Amino acid sequence: ETGVTQSPTHLIKTRGQQVTLRCSSQSGHNTVSWYQQALGQGPQFIFQYYREEENGRGNFPPRFSGLQFPNYSSELNVNALELDDSALYLCASSYDSLYNSPLHFGNGTRLTVT
Amino acid sequence: AQTVTQSQPEMSVQEAETVTLSCTYDTSESDYYLFWYKQPPSRQMILVIRQEAYKQQNATENRFSVNFQKAAKSFSLKISDSQLGDAAMYFCAYRFYSSGSARQLTFGSGTQLTVLP
Repeated sequence: ETGVTQSPTHLIKTRGQQVTLRCSSQSGHNTVSWYQQALGQGPQFIFQYYREEENGRGNFPPRFSGLQFPNYSSELNVNALELDDSALYLCASSYDSLYNSPLHFGNGTRLTVT
Repeated sequence: AQTVTQSQPEMSVQEAETVTLSCTYDTSESDYYLFWYKQPPSRQMILVIRQEAYKQQNATENRFSVNFQKAAKSFSLKISDSQLGDAAMYFCAYRFYSSGSARQLTFGSGTQLTVLP
């Protein structure tokens, strides 16, 4: 069973640029959610995708957007990067958004904005 | 809005001893789930234990157990027979239960646990 994999591991971008982070869900999972974890803090929910549609969003501006593909892999896109976007971005997948199947997290992508 | 508070930024325990990590939460809902996650230096969030709010019995997973006090909105984690591999950041998390809602977790700020040999 393949776990949740995220790429890249680390990334450095300049303020104002755009970035795309990628996530491959665990085999058989159809739901993916993204979290932002600033240094020394707990993760904050960005949004969730279920069967290729966004079905939940946290308190993040529209410049944070996402996609889920037919194979249930996912992308997180951030436009017009700001210094405060520097954080660890975690992806989590699960089988179904409606039931209490556990979330499986990846190892995250560390984004640094300079 | 739901909030989760972990008032102990750091804790330490001697190997083989017992330690308790504290968590309180605030919600107006009656149906929800509570979790403890562990985040080692590898950064991956690992589920340690889960509690359904409708269950009065405290959850237990091997050396890990919780003390769930619904009226007090308290959810502490007890680690017995601590091992070096238990050293990590521990996060308490809340999720509202609804058949139509996203699986949004609200996390606390974490407790860094050090295990001393």
